[in-house]
Amino acid sequence: QVQLVQSGAEVKKPGASVKVSCKASGYSFVSYYVHWVRQAPGQGLEWMGVIIPGDSSTTYAQNFQDKVTMTRDTSTRTVYMELSSLSSEDTAVYYCARTRGSTMDVWGQGTTVTVSS
Amino acid sequence: QSALTQPPSASGSPGQSVTISCTGTSSDVGAYDSVSWYQRHPGKAPKLMIYEVNKRPSGVPDRFSASKSGNTASLTVSGLQAEDEADYYCSSHAGSDTYVFGTGTQVTVL
Repeated sequence: QVQLVQSGAEVKKPGASVKVSCKASGYSFVSYYVHWVRQAPGQGLEWMGVIIPGDSSTTYAQNFQDKVTMTRDTSTRTVYMELSSLSSEDTAVYYCARTRGSTMDVWGQGTTVTVSS
Repeated sequence: QSALTQPPSASGSPGQSVTISCTGTSSDVGAYDSVSWYQRHPGKAPKLMIYEVNKRPSGVPDRFSASKSGNTASLTVSGLQAEDEADYYCSSHAGSDTYVFGTGTQVTVL
């Protein structure tokens, strides 16, 4: 079936970077965009950006322009989201989601990233 | 981009209806027929409930309906059931492959 499976929880120190993976299965990997969305504790969903697996082009939200890098590996059908210069404000659950048209119809299970000294 | 505005909470008794608003601008909600609604239970990934303003994916009960007028979209849950208690988020395309989410509404079934 169509699914996105994310990598496991991470604990990082302030200033470090983290790279979260999102492995797709059950559909044509290059035909759908993949978005990243985060939810910090007690906060709402926040759109971070999108990658087009077909050509690896990306669009990032203004708040994440200098902080996030999204990449993909077509051979393993995996999308990656790397967040740099981590601070406690980056402690959150990070989700990948596929878009069909303009709709995020399939979501990964979420990856908890904790930033703590 | 600023988050779309939703009421923080809404509630109703079993069997009643609850309506959640989602207010954006002429650059997002008002510009595109691409409003979606997601249900999120604690510890779970968001689940798509409505897409393209008023369409329901297969498997979503017809108790869930939605609409849009101008810069405001709305989600109505009729015949509230205990399992409808969750957080609900709207989202909209905001141009140039960007998206924006709503602030979220916690629905309580009394």
